[in-house]
Amino acid sequence: EPEVTQTPSHQVTQMGQEVILRCVPISNHLYFYWYRQILGQKVEFLVSFYNNEISEKSEIFDDQFSVERPDGSNFTLKIRSTKLEDSAMYFCASARWTSGTSTDTQYFGPGTRLTVL
Amino acid sequence: SQQGEEDPQALSIQEGENATMNCSYKTSINNLQWYRQNSGRGLVHLILIRSNEREKHSGRLRVTLDTSKKSSSLLITASRAADTASYFCATRPQGAQKLVFGQGTRLTINP
Repeated sequence: EPEVTQTPSHQVTQMGQEVILRCVPISNHLYFYWYRQILGQKVEFLVSFYNNEISEKSEIFDDQFSVERPDGSNFTLKIRSTKLEDSAMYFCASARWTSGTSTDTQYFGPGTRLTVL
Repeated sequence: SQQGEEDPQALSIQEGENATMNCSYKTSINNLQWYRQNSGRGLVHLILIRSNEREKHSGRLRVTLDTSKKSSSLLITASRAADTASYFCATRPQGAQKLVFGQGTRLTINP
């Protein structure tokens, strides 16, 4: 069964450094998402991406964040200058989302645990 | 309370018993989805119920949706130790693509 994959599984970085989190969505999916989960808290939506552009974003997704689909398979989240409060588990998700239906199951990857020191 | 609030926050039962978790939400939705998360791991999709559906089954899972009360329940029958995990409901608000998650219910199945 196809799966969403994410690399790395754990990233440790110094405050102020740039990080890039990578995801490979399921191959025939067209909608891509990033969420994050701070330890012990709920999963929060960051951004959705369709047709090579951001289709929706949350207040968390400020100028420090960017997303890109550099080729036909990868989807990346970049944090330009990490802060301590960016420490969290970051989940990538993808969905096929057939137009006209609401059966848009989002399939999540295993996550990247980001630790900012 | 916020969109997608589950109760109870924690539930501990004996293996073989049924587990029921509830979720409430605030806005109109397209669908509601339930996910499972084992400690420190990813989110596994369990079941999706559309806003025009009232009940759905998948194996030992039964989900109900009451849009008039803006609530949903997840029933796991004949629980097993492997069902120990956190369970989250997530709603897709109408007109949005994002999922809005609740705080989750931590379910512990005692052998």
